[in-house]
Amino acid sequence: EPEVTQTPSHQVTQMGQEVILRCVPISNHLYFYWYRQILGQKVEFLVSFYNNEISEKSEIFDDQFSVERPDGSNFTLKIRSTKLEDSAMYFCASMKLEGGFATNEKLFFGSGTQLSVL
Amino acid sequence: AQSVTQPDIHITVSEGASLELRCNYSYGATPYLFWYVQSPGQGLQLLLKYFSGDTLVQGIKGFEAEFKRSQSSFNLRKPSVHWSDAAEYFCAVAGSGNTGKLIFGQGTTLQVKP
Repeated sequence: EPEVTQTPSHQVTQMGQEVILRCVPISNHLYFYWYRQILGQKVEFLVSFYNNEISEKSEIFDDQFSVERPDGSNFTLKIRSTKLEDSAMYFCASMKLEGGFATNEKLFFGSGTQLSVL
Repeated sequence: AQSVTQPDIHITVSEGASLELRCNYSYGATPYLFWYVQSPGQGLQLLLKYFSGDTLVQGIKGFEAEFKRSQSSFNLRKPSVHWSDAAEYFCAVAGSGNTGKLIFGQGTTLQVKP
């Protein structure tokens, strides 16, 4: 089965530093997502991205966050100035077709990047 | 607003025993419901999903789930658990707009005793 690839698997950064989390979605997929899970809490939706723009974002996704698809294969999440509370597992996901779940499409998740902010 | 509740944070069962993981959802319309599993160091893998039709859905690895609208539940079951089933299990509902946004429950950690 095709895979969503995330790098690195674990990233440690100092508070206030910028961090970029990288994802390679499945090649013919059109929708891209970031989710995160703070330890002991629910997996939370952050942002969805389609046709080179954000299609939806949550309240968590404030001005400190940005997403980009810089080269047609990578999909990145940037946190401009990290805070302690940004420590979490970040999951990238992708989906193939417009029409989403109504067309029986499936969301593919990567294995996550564990971000630790010290 | 949509929400998902998994009442059991941690469950331990013996290998070979049956398993039921509970999930309750809150959603105004007919929901799209999912169960995902996460093994250590791996991503979220889809076990099964419910969109419409037959309320008993079969998934991978011998799992099944039953949608009960009257109880707003979508419980996951397996008749005989294997040691390799030890993992974290997440129930999720698709948010409005059919855009791939999922709302997850808190997860249930399954431990399997030999």
